Amino acid sequence: NAGVTQTPKFQVLKTGQSMTLQCAQDMNHEYMSWYRQDPGMGLRLIHYSVGAGITDQGEVPNGYNVSRSTTEDFPLRLLSAAPSQTSVYFCASTMGGSFTGELFFGEGSRLTVL
Amino acid sequence: GNSVTQMEGPVTLSEEAFLTINCTYTATGYPSLFWYVQYPGEGLQLLLKATKADDKGSNKGFEATYRKETTSFHLEKGSVQVSDSAVYFCALSGFGNEKLTFGTGTRLTIIP
Repeated sequence: NAGVTQTPKFQVLKTGQSMTLQCAQDMNHEYMSWYRQDPGMGLRLIHYSVGAGITDQGEVPNGYNVSRSTTEDFPLRLLSAAPSQTSVYFCASTMGGSFTGELFFGEGSRLTVL
Repeated sequence: GNSVTQMEGPVTLSEEAFLTINCTYTATGYPSLFWYVQYPGEGLQLLLKATKADDKGSNKGFEATYRKETTSFHLEKGSVQVSDSAVYFCALSGFGNEKLTFGTGTRLTIIP
């Protein structure tokens, strides 16, 4: 079972460059989300989506853009990378309906911005 | 707003020792509470959960009881193994809130 698949696993960018972190799930989950993990700060929610065509901001949305054109995919775009965006990014999904908090996570994407 | 305060790490224990990782929370209403575990090089996975006061979540020998009077959800295991070495995250989901709020994580290392 593939579950939640994130690509790339590692990426190095220069300040000002743009890139897209890909996230795909094959569980027909309505809810998808992006978190960033930083030392001493746990996981913080960037953006989330409760279904195709619907997105909303989380705790730390600035500098990131998302869209949800299909149920399966939820890409995260960095428009102009900054060193403060150096982090490990996790995509997570769960079934739709009432949010239960039982998230399925991808393996993470480690991003370094120089 | 909602918040989770978790025991600072890292925690190092010998195999077969008793484990407690403290977690307290601040939330309005009646949140659901979770423990997630992250093994090296992997994403987080749900370890256990509790959805109402006095519920006990359990899985793989780990337990945690939802204590509303002390706003706590401490993780315990009676006898840890080397394979339990991981980072443990306490989290909550508020009523009507479509997101999880995580604690900072506690790194646990078990030595043989």
